[in-house]
Amino acid sequence: QVQLVQSGAEVKKPGSSVKVSCTASGATFNNYTVTWVRQAPGQGLEWMGGIIPKFPTTTYAQKFQGRVTLFTDESTRTAYMDLRSLRSDDAAVYYCATGLAGGGYDFFESWGQGTLVTVSS
Amino acid sequence: EIVMTQSPATLSVSPGETPTLSCRASQSVSSNLAWYQQKPGQAPRLLIYGASTRAIGIPARFSGSGSGTEFTLTISSLQSEDFAVYYCQQYNNWPPLTFGGGTKVEIK
Repeated sequence: QVQLVQSGAEVKKPGSSVKVSCTASGATFNNYTVTWVRQAPGQGLEWMGGIIPKFPTTTYAQKFQGRVTLFTDESTRTAYMDLRSLRSDDAAVYYCATGLAGGGYDFFESWGQGTLVTVSS
Repeated sequence: EIVMTQSPATLSVSPGETPTLSCRASQSVSSNLAWYQQKPGQAPRLLIYGASTRAIGIPARFSGSGSGTEFTLTISSLQSEDFAVYYCQQYNNWPPLTFGGGTKVEIK
């Protein structure tokens, strides 16, 4: 099972961008699809998209198309989520997560600890 | 997009009771359904996948059933550490992968 450690909390102004990192350990990074899920305060879970590092290919939720980019750095076993043109409703905890080794876009066995992104002027 | 609907939104339960949580999909997701538990300030934890397969390390008191559009999560003899929010998630049709709105299991 892979362990995921995310970067620290961020405070951003509306219209700016945020980049959250997710570093994997304990398993071969390229064997896992990395998914990003966010959770607004007091709300449920929302899938943003995912990346399969070994190809690499990405899939995004239509809601975030054009505003989010997912990418990986194989050398540091790190996945990144870059979200642009931030709005107040982007304030949330952002999670990276992976499924089983060799899996695709399915369920999520390992989760990062979450990164709180605050959007405020 | 497949819409996942969980009911009830809140379930008040006493320790030792056996609550049943429901999850309904807007169209068939076959058995491609997972359940998660989330406690305050923590990341979700995978409980069940494939509608009924327990994830590694999950106690046997958690059981999932269903297929198609109707699913249930049963927690046999609820323990104090089980008070949390539970989410279902379908992975049959994507993008997007979709979650239910959650069921909060609270102390009665």
